[in-house]
Formats: sequence, C-alpha cells, structure tokens
Amino acid sequence: QKEVEQDPGPLSVPEGAIVSLNCTYSNSAFQYFMWYRQYSRKGPELLMYTYSSGNKEDGRFTAQVDKSSKYISLFIRDSQPSDSATYLCAMSERGNNNDMRFGAGTRLTVKP
Amino acid sequence: DGGITQSPKYLFRKEGQNVTLSCEQNLNHDAMYWYRQDPGQGLRLIYYSQIVNDFQKGDIAEGYSVSREKKESFPLTVTSAQKNPTAFYLCASSPGDSGNTIYFGEGSWLTVV
Repeated sequence: QKEVEQDPGPLSVPEGAIVSLNCTYSNSAFQYFMWYRQYSRKGPELLMYTYSSGNKEDGRFTAQVDKSSKYISLFIRDSQPSDSATYLCAMSERGNNNDMRFGAGTRLTVKP
Repeated sequence: DGGITQSPKYLFRKEGQNVTLSCEQNLNHDAMYWYRQDPGQGLRLIYYSQIVNDFQKGDIAEGYSVSREKKESFPLTVTSAQKNPTAFYLCASSPGDSGNTIYFGEGSWLTVV
C-alpha cells in the first residue's frame, strides 16, 4: 500500500463547477498537509498549506484535513479553465521538506 | 528575476553514459533538493542539501550523485548505475529545511535510449 494515495483522474468539469480533489494516507504521524498545482511540463507550485486537522480557505480554494479518517481534500469553487492542471497532495510528519511524501497527482481539466 | 533555473530542459542520452543536470538558484536559499517524477508516482526525493559542502541521500539516491560547492548551485549527475534513468527531474530550494515552503524549478526531461 502506498503511503499517500491519490486518484490520478483525469477529471473533467465544466467552467464554474465546484471541484473536489482528495488524498488518503496511511501514516497517522503526518501533521503537515500541502496541495501543489503543476501545469503541464512545469514545476509544482504551492497552493495551500495546513497544519493538523481543520479547514483553511484562500480565495476560491479550500483545504480540508480529517486526521481521524486520514483523508484530505481540496475544493475549488467557480472553477476556471486556468485551473486546468495536475494537483499534487503532499504531507509530512515533522514539517521538514526532506520528509515530505507526495501523491501521484490528479489531472484536472476545466472546460469553457 | 528571482528563481530556480534548470538546464537543459530536454536531454537525450545513450544508455551507459553519465549525464549532469544543472540547477541554479538566485533566491539566496540555504536548502536545495532534487526530485524525480514518474507517471503514476509521487515526487521522490533523490538528494538534498541544507548547507554548502554538505548533502544527504533521499529515498532513491542509488545511481545518482550531487555536489554543493556553491550556495547557488546543486548539480545532479545521473550515472550509468541508475537502472531506469528516463524521468522528469525537478530541482527545488527553500530558505531552510523546515516549514515546507519549497520552490520548484521548471524541470528537466531526461530520456535514455
């Protein structure tokens, strides 16, 4: 079993839809949770960063962490074609970059 | 313009040849990292360096080597010992190793034929 599981998609939605992206994990020691966005043939960029359980909102993006279920989500409201990218979840135990574990990424396409 | 520059963007090599990927950053970051990205798998850490003249192995260091002679530079050599070198390689940097604030370069595509 992979330490971090993420459905690769692809996921296709119409413009304006609410998108839900999810990851599950097996290591209960993870405390720091990140979401990265990666455009085609580019490096990932950090979108959201949360510590422990709870919700965090930033504009159209909401990150949710449920440690009891070992499940994290990223919601995108009013999705735009410019949101079309691969979304990677990542998590770490100690908050150090060298112990981050990444999901395989979900490819999202938002159609105009 | 501040950022991380990786070169070359695309590289083809014959099996058995060593190849070196360049990574330069002008962000004045202490920590630098090399990751490998394969289809269907998450990013995997190859090597990382928290300070000049020091580096540590990541999860998949076998068949790779690095050096950190200057703060700005962290080149990665893919040696002939790496059994499956064809992949997308990402260099990253961070002010320090903690905080999970990591910035990635645009990547280098290596194809070994």
